[in-house]
Amino acid sequence: DVVLTQTPVSLLISLGGQASISCRSSQSLVHSNGNTYLHWYLQKPGQSPQLLIYQVSNRFSGIPDRFSGSGSGTDFTLKISRVEPEDLGVYYCLQRTHNPLTFGSGTKLEIK
Amino acid sequence: EVKLEESGGGLVQPGMSVKLSCATSGFTFSDYWMEWVRQAPGKGLEWVAEIRNKANNYATYYGKSVKGRFTISRDDSKSIVYLQVNSIRSEDTGIYYCTEGFAYWGQGTLVTVSS
Repeated sequence: DVVLTQTPVSLLISLGGQASISCRSSQSLVHSNGNTYLHWYLQKPGQSPQLLIYQVSNRFSGIPDRFSGSGSGTDFTLKISRVEPEDLGVYYCLQRTHNPLTFGSGTKLEIK
Repeated sequence: EVKLEESGGGLVQPGMSVKLSCATSGFTFSDYWMEWVRQAPGKGLEWVAEIRNKANNYATYYGKSVKGRFTISRDDSKSIVYLQVNSIRSEDTGIYYCTEGFAYWGQGTLVTVSS
């Protein structure tokens, strides 16, 4: 199974600051069709996960450009610039390239 | 507006069965792959099952921890996806979310396994 290793486990960021979360895969996430199915989610306290970024770098509908995704192969990064209070929660990466689908273990973002 | 609403959770005794439902609206249900994801109390997200659309022969896939005990199904005429959970165990306790291709998510239904 593909293991997604997220680092750091937690982040303490000042309002207006920048956060960076890494998601490293135990194998390449490039699908045989050439696409890379690595997505990022935010789960705010008491809520369902919400899609932020799909296929590495595409922002989902309504997601501000403060959120950006990058990476390729086995190494991916989510960056959050100008952190706002509503950004707090747990961030997860998900790979859909290989079955079984797997999530990273999560990164908790707290605001200073 | 896309909506997904799970139901069917509750207190279940170990070894028993439960059937979860997810009613959807706001999108062409029959076109999409549907998923179930669960979250144990205080833990991360775990993918449970996937059912593809008619064009993909309604193929189903399962996570290793549930394979053989859980069955995902769908009714395209009603825009509902189901999750049949058999031989339930304490480690199946958690919130069960349905999601349309991982883009839109319901609020979840809580399943508690306890005697």
